[in-house]
Amino acid sequence: GENVEQHPSTLSVQEGDSAVIKCTYSDSASNYFPWYKQELGKRPQLIIDIRSNVGEKKDQRIAVTLNKTAKHFSLHITETQPEDSAVYFCAASIAASGTYKYIFGTGTRLKVLA
Amino acid sequence: DGGITQSPKYLFRKEGQNVTLSCEQNLNHDAMYWYRQDPGQGLRLIYYSQIVNDFQKGDIAEGYSVSREKKESFPLTVTSAQKNPTAFYLCASSIRQGTDPPPLHFGNGTRLTVT
Repeated sequence: GENVEQHPSTLSVQEGDSAVIKCTYSDSASNYFPWYKQELGKRPQLIIDIRSNVGEKKDQRIAVTLNKTAKHFSLHITETQPEDSAVYFCAASIAASGTYKYIFGTGTRLKVLA
Repeated sequence: DGGITQSPKYLFRKEGQNVTLSCEQNLNHDAMYWYRQDPGQGLRLIYYSQIVNDFQKGDIAEGYSVSREKKESFPLTVTSAQKNPTAFYLCASSIRQGTDPPPLHFGNGTRLTVT
């Protein structure tokens, strides 16, 4: 069935280092890949997204890359800061009955150590 | 906050009781979604609705029901048939979906505990 795999499930980095989270998707027709950040007890918030006609997108310290052939995409956070500590979810769009639904990965808990 | 209001924030129920979670949005969004979040399992889709009076089952719809009588509202009922109802429930919405999937906007969630 449709699924999105996300790795790693937990990631600890030193402040200032980079963090990379990887996701793979199963539906080759998926064409939209958002990333959400969720702080403890709060709602997921969109931090960056990428569409299938683009290979890379960057927004300050955050970047996302997409490899359509391999069906995987990655989140890159550079110069990590303690406030980057949170759970990060990737997702992929799935066309369904004339609309879209979104399948999420299982999340990565990022800890930035000061 | 963010135009999507979920209430209450915490909800406690006894086993065997149905319970309805509220989700209201003032973003004029057409599509609305319900997700369930459990530790280590990410977000799983329960139901979604593209327009008023229409909705589709997601991946884990068993034991849940929804209605979409108004564009602004998409309540979720957790029935006694749901085997493990204790979870964090997130409502989301998006603009009308054309050729490109739009991003989801989430509410603050309702944590349901059933004992």
